[in-house]
Amino acid sequence: NAGVTQTPKFQVLKTGQSMTLQCAQDMNHEYMSWYRQDPGMGLRLIHYSVGAGITDQGEVPNGYNVSRSTTEDFPLRLLSAAPSQTSVYFCASSYQAGETYEQYFGPGTRLTVT
Amino acid sequence: TQLLEQSPQFLSIQEGENLTVYCNSSSVFSSLQWYRQEPGEGPVLLVTVVTGGEVKKLKRLTFQFGDARKDSSLHITAAQPGDTGLYLCAGQTGANNLFFGTGTRLTVIP
Repeated sequence: NAGVTQTPKFQVLKTGQSMTLQCAQDMNHEYMSWYRQDPGMGLRLIHYSVGAGITDQGEVPNGYNVSRSTTEDFPLRLLSAAPSQTSVYFCASSYQAGETYEQYFGPGTRLTVT
Repeated sequence: TQLLEQSPQFLSIQEGENLTVYCNSSSVFSSLQWYRQEPGEGPVLLVTVVTGGEVKKLKRLTFQFGDARKDSSLHITAAQPGDTGLYLCAGQTGANNLFFGTGTRLTVIP
């Protein structure tokens, strides 16, 4: 049981390039999310999915696309990278535990855009 | 945006000391979670509090949810170097909708 896995661990892009950050979970969780973490700003929600085929925008969705074709995978696409997207990206999967949702985070992808 | 403010932002203490960190908001949350994050890793869930006034204990860590469900505190007794890390609170307002605070970075000096 690997939990939530993310690839790559590190990535450097030039402005304007596109790329996909991979995320997979093997816990059969319905919910998956993408966050970015910037110094002094905590984690901010980019996009989330409540199940295969269903996605929605979070707090900071501009410049990012997602899709959820399977329960296991939730890739995040940067369409045209900008220096403002330099950040650490975390994928999380979660399940409903009573009235709350318990989230499990991946190890993160550190992205630098030059 | 649901603003969650954590204080202090940085805290450096000696091993064996007690400490309290705070998480405050003007918004009401259906539940509040505390996470600990170590360098190069993702946050790990420590506890979820749901009821106003609720107190939960996890070994030397005590978590309290405010009566009005707008704030929370984390108290650590007899801190150890293994407690070092970034402590994040996160308030939940709806299905799978979490808003994170900016974190308290704790360093426990041996």
